[in-house]
Amino acid sequence: LAKTTQPISMDSYEGQEVNITCSHNNIATNDYITWYQQFPSQGPRFIIQGYKTKVTNEVASLFIPADRKSSTLSLPRVSLSDTAVYYCLVGDTFSGGYNKLIFGAGTRLAVHP
Amino acid sequence: NAGVTQTPKFQVLKTGQSMTLQCAQDMNHEYMSWYRQDPGMGLRLIHYSVGAGITDQGEVPNGYNVSRSTTEDFPLRLLSAAPSQTSVYFCASSYSGGRATNEKLFFGSGTQLSVL
Repeated sequence: LAKTTQPISMDSYEGQEVNITCSHNNIATNDYITWYQQFPSQGPRFIIQGYKTKVTNEVASLFIPADRKSSTLSLPRVSLSDTAVYYCLVGDTFSGGYNKLIFGAGTRLAVHP
Repeated sequence: NAGVTQTPKFQVLKTGQSMTLQCAQDMNHEYMSWYRQDPGMGLRLIHYSVGAGITDQGEVPNGYNVSRSTTEDFPLRLLSAAPSQTSVYFCASSYSGGRATNEKLFFGSGTQLSVL
């Protein structure tokens, strides 16, 4: 079973708020939820991480409901430069106990003028 | 700090050739890993290392070798390149050693490899 499920793509316009939801029904008690951003021709970049409730930083907010089976990345007032792929990760491990950090296809966000 | 540095940025190989992709980090991170990313897809883990002298296989290790003789360097070797290995390769590192539930990866800028 996939650890996370998120929309393949989203479209928005400059100045709008964008919310990307990730489903992680089998999240373990100790797992954090981490989001990365990837621009074309660059490696992914960590943007936000949370365990429960709400986390906010200078880039985004992350909302996590009490059951933690989903999370929502919120990008306020997007600009053209927010066009990127956004990945949601939750914990998984190899048999030896080390983290298996699996990046799915992510959500391709296109911001239009 | 330079962060995670990958060389070369671009490489073209012929089928059967071998080469080494270099990755170095100056953040004293114990955990390092290699991913490949095919067009329009996510990243797949090839190999990882949790410290000098310790490496293990990821999701797609076949056709690749790694070693970790120092904390700073984690080279990826293609033994006999095949067209199916045409991809963009990313190296990543993390300070939390590979077991933390709040792991955060730092990525290099990637190596675009074409195998003809």
